[in-house]
Amino acid sequence: AQSVTQLGSHVSVSEGALVLLRCNYSSSVPPYLFWYVQYPNQGLQLLLKYTTGATLVKGINGFEAEFKKSETSFHLTKPSAHMSDAAEYFCAVSEGGTGGFKTIFGAGTRLFVKA
Amino acid sequence: DVKVTQSSRYLVKRTGEKVFLECVQDMDHENMFWYRQDPGLGLRLIYFSYDVKMKEKGDIPEGYSVSREKKERFSLILESASTNQTSMYLCASSLGTGGESQETQYFGPGTRLLVL
Repeated sequence: AQSVTQLGSHVSVSEGALVLLRCNYSSSVPPYLFWYVQYPNQGLQLLLKYTTGATLVKGINGFEAEFKKSETSFHLTKPSAHMSDAAEYFCAVSEGGTGGFKTIFGAGTRLFVKA
Repeated sequence: DVKVTQSSRYLVKRTGEKVFLECVQDMDHENMFWYRQDPGLGLRLIYFSYDVKMKEKGDIPEGYSVSREKKERFSLILESASTNQTSMYLCASSLGTGGESQETQYFGPGTRLLVL
């Protein structure tokens, strides 16, 4: 069975500092991995996803994530935080190769950006 | 751009009332989903639909039902609302190419439901 763990329900960084949001997953088959972002009073939107191929995935707004199979991790990073990055971020996993619709979402990490 | 709209942003209902939440997508997507979002729990799947009149239970279907009479519309029904159904409800859709597990889901803005 799949599961997703996001380390830290809240992360606070200063503007211009590195953003690192941690995500670990478990999956019995090769996973598909996603990061979604939710701005206040909005639905979720896709930041980036890993399906196959290159393990370093670049997304929108300068974010990127690296799939590390040996560590079962898919951490999200951004070199320099901007005030507009303040939002809630969700890591998600679905099982590749088996078809089906099940995407499991993590509990979310709220990012605060200090001026 | 895919647009997913939900009928209400905020809703207040009384215990025992029947509640309808509607979701419409405008991109001819095959798949539609209903989630509830609670602090510390992330998103949990209630029901999904992969075709008109087809539905499948998600992880927490108890107390809910759904209806999909038209491809673009997916309704969530709370037959008899209870206080533990107070939550944020998110609708989503995805294209439906046969590789569903890798598809991006597109979300509506959510309906915040308060049951008194």
